[in-house]
Amino acid sequence: QSALTQPASVSGSPGQSITISCTGSSSDVGSYNLVSWYQQYPDKAPKLMIYEGTKRPSGVSNRFSGSKSGNTASLTISGLQAEDEADYYCSSYAGSSTDVLFGGGTKLTVL
Amino acid sequence: EVQLVESGGGLVQPGGSLRLSCAASGFTFSSHWMSWVRQAPGKGLEWVANINQAGSEKYYVDSVKGRFTISRDTAKNSLYLQMNSLRVDDTAVFYCARGEVGGTLLGRYYYMDVWGKGTTVTVSS
Repeated sequence: QSALTQPASVSGSPGQSITISCTGSSSDVGSYNLVSWYQQYPDKAPKLMIYEGTKRPSGVSNRFSGSKSGNTASLTISGLQAEDEADYYCSSYAGSSTDVLFGGGTKLTVL
Repeated sequence: EVQLVESGGGLVQPGGSLRLSCAASGFTFSSHWMSWVRQAPGKGLEWVANINQAGSEKYYVDSVKGRFTISRDTAKNSLYLQMNSLRVDDTAVFYCARGEVGGTLLGRYYYMDVWGKGTTVTVSS
């Protein structure tokens, strides 16, 4: 199974925008597989933030957005707030299989 | 309220077995794929297994194939994970999650939109 690669950490100041990347291959992110994104606070369950690459579930702030370019999917958080400090994971199908991949996770620090 | 509640975790010796359960409520359980996802201490999320609505399709991460079995009981609105031949590196918090699967003109997807709080499995002698 191929991996989805995320930066280990990103940081930003309140009010700024940050982007978390999720790099796969031409057989997963870069092909016919749409990425989802999850937010996780320490010792809490993950929460779905973005699905089908760009869609937001009801109740998720419109400060969160998803996009894709080539083999890389991205999560952008605008107007950074202290409450956004958490771990973020991307996920998609692996290639043409029915296996599911998660990225290694990115720790977001709000300075 | 849509809810998933896991149970069955605990301490088990290497080589032992454990059965996790996940009780679903607040939605039509029989209409959804279901998943197990685990997280080892201090590590990231790892998908473990998926099962379709009828229980006829089951998929596993390579590291648990032949050792873990996912199943569901629609009458009890419950999801299960039978874990055999447990290893120290199976130690993790195990989450039950509701899955959504499909495809659009842009591509196919699987995402998990409802998660339980998790149950802890510790494999140690």
